[in-house]
Parts: sequence; structure tokens; C-alpha cells
Amino acid sequence: DSGVTQTPKHLITATGQRVTLRCSPRSGDLSVYWYQQSLDQGLQFLIQYYNGEERAKGNILERFSAQQFPDLHSELNLSSLELGDSALYFCASSLTVGVTYEQYFGPGTRLTVT
Amino acid sequence: KNEVEQSPQNLTAQEGEFITINCSYSVGISALHWLQQHPGGGIVSLFMLSSGKKKHGRLIATINIQEKHSSLHITASHPRDSAVYICAVRSPGNQFYFGTGTSLTVIP
Repeated sequence: DSGVTQTPKHLITATGQRVTLRCSPRSGDLSVYWYQQSLDQGLQFLIQYYNGEERAKGNILERFSAQQFPDLHSELNLSSLELGDSALYFCASSLTVGVTYEQYFGPGTRLTVT
Repeated sequence: KNEVEQSPQNLTAQEGEFITINCSYSVGISALHWLQQHPGGGIVSLFMLSSGKKKHGRLIATINIQEKHSSLHITASHPRDSAVYICAVRSPGNQFYFGTGTSLTVIP
């Protein structure tokens, strides 16, 4: 158990809908990362937050947005969902933003868009 | 072209064999990660390297910055090592690039 929690574990929704994925980092970790893993594209970095502020942006679509709240939990919002958004969404946390800090991954949320 | 290339894509080994998985990258990096993903989907970070070599139990990771290459070695492989191993690099601009993974099966 990494100490990172993600809810829900599974989500099935229809095209055009909007969903919110939630991540709680390990106790004491200030930085949160979001990743998408799909069958055709593998793992991709979406976005990183540190102590409530966006720090780095990867291949995140305009239909997706994220935020980190004062209690450090983070939410990833996916809107106007398409079939191709079906994937595993992982969140990871680390103590801070430095490259020397390990990332700890949550169990993931499996999103199925029908 | 992918920024991170791994080889082999698939690997089957007999229990006890020495295993090597290779990773080459084409971007400048601040760190390289080796990740393990079991069939259930969970991801564990095995190593984070910016130079040299690290060892944890039967696992060894090395990196050659000049050649832009890293290797993950597993000594005395065991069926519980069966998983997908993913190489990931972090750029100085805080971007992450992932290899497509090496699927390892260790047969008893």
C-alpha cells in the first residue's frame, strides 16, 4: 500500500459526459501528478501540482482540467468524454518537487466510456 | 520516434536466470525511473537514478548519462518478478516520457 488513495476504482460512463477523479496523496506529500495509461498510447504524463499550484503540464487535453485543494487532495475533471478517453488514470505523490524525491502511485481509476 | 525506447518488448525466463532490460532515451534528463506494473495494474517505483548504479535486493539499475542508456538487472529471477517493467525519464522541464514497457514472465 503506497498510501496514495484514488476514488472511484472503476467508472463507466457515456460519451459526452463529465466525470471527476479524486486523489489523496500520502500524508505529508505536497506534490501530486496525474497520468493516463491507455492500451494504444501507454503511460502519459498529464499534469503536476505542488501545494495547490500547477507546476508542469504534459499531454493534457483542453477537455481535461485538474486542481489541488488546500487539504492537498487533487481532482482530475474530464469533460465531453470520448471513447478514446477510456483508460487507467493514475495519480502519484511525492514529498516535494525536486527530482530526487520518489513518486508513490495510487491504485488507479479505470474509466470506461461507452 | 519515441523519446524512450525499451528492449526487449517481451521476455520469458526460467526461474533463477539473470535478466536484463534495456532503456535508451533521446532527451536530456534530470532523472530516470524504473517502474514495475503487476497484472492487477498497480505501479511501483523501483528505482530513481540520475547517475551511476543502485541496488535493491535482487534488482540492480544502472545508467550511463553519456550514452543515454539505462539497464535494469534482475538476479536469480523468480516467478513473482513476472510483471511489466517501464522505463520513464524526467526532463529538466518537468516533463515525463515513458517507454512502452517490457513484459517479463518467469517460469518456475
